[in-house]
Amino acid sequence: EAEVAQSPRYKITEKSQAVAFWCDPISGHATLYWYRQILGQGPELLVQFQDESVVDDSQLPKDRFSAERLKGVDSTLKIQPAELGDSAMYLCASSLALFETGELFFGEGSRLTVL
Amino acid sequence: AQSVTQLGSHVSVSEGALVLLRCNYSSSVPPYLFWYVQYPNQGLQLLLKYTTGATLVKGINGFEAEFKKSETSFHLTKPSAHMSDAAEYFCAVSDTGGFKTIFGAGTRLFVKA
Repeated sequence: EAEVAQSPRYKITEKSQAVAFWCDPISGHATLYWYRQILGQGPELLVQFQDESVVDDSQLPKDRFSAERLKGVDSTLKIQPAELGDSAMYLCASSLALFETGELFFGEGSRLTVL
Repeated sequence: AQSVTQLGSHVSVSEGALVLLRCNYSSSVPPYLFWYVQYPNQGLQLLLKYTTGATLVKGINGFEAEFKKSETSFHLTKPSAHMSDAAEYFCAVSDTGGFKTIFGAGTRLFVKA
């Protein structure tokens, strides 16, 4: 069964360091999402791509966060510098296309701890 | 703007009892509605979804949900809880076309033996 791959699963870093997360969506899925999930809360959308284009990054803290999907396939989310409040689970999801029934397929997530 | 409210951050039931997890939504356009389940340290998995048509939707693992437009609700039920149902459940809404999916805060389900 096709899955969304994410790495690393766990990352511990000190504040002010740089950190990066990688996501490989299900083959053929045009839409890719990065969500942040703080412990005890629901996922919050950070950025959404359609192929290689950003369609929504209104909730992405652009002073420290960046995301790219250069060839419209895999994606990288970067945080620089990391802050204590960035400790969370970073979830990647994909779907076939924007204008369809909206089911999201999630990876297992990357759990970030900032010390 | 769309939003989702899940009533009760924690729900505890006995094994074999009815499971009822509540979800109310707000949407200015006809919504697509979803329930996802999340097990510890894992991503979310779709349980069921409502897009159009029949308002009673059946999902995996014996769960079902009913879309009630007049009540703006999409409550999740299961007739008989099993220990393996213990997890966190998220209700979600998107506009028609799935442009942006908004999640509720989640309800953690505990199942007692």
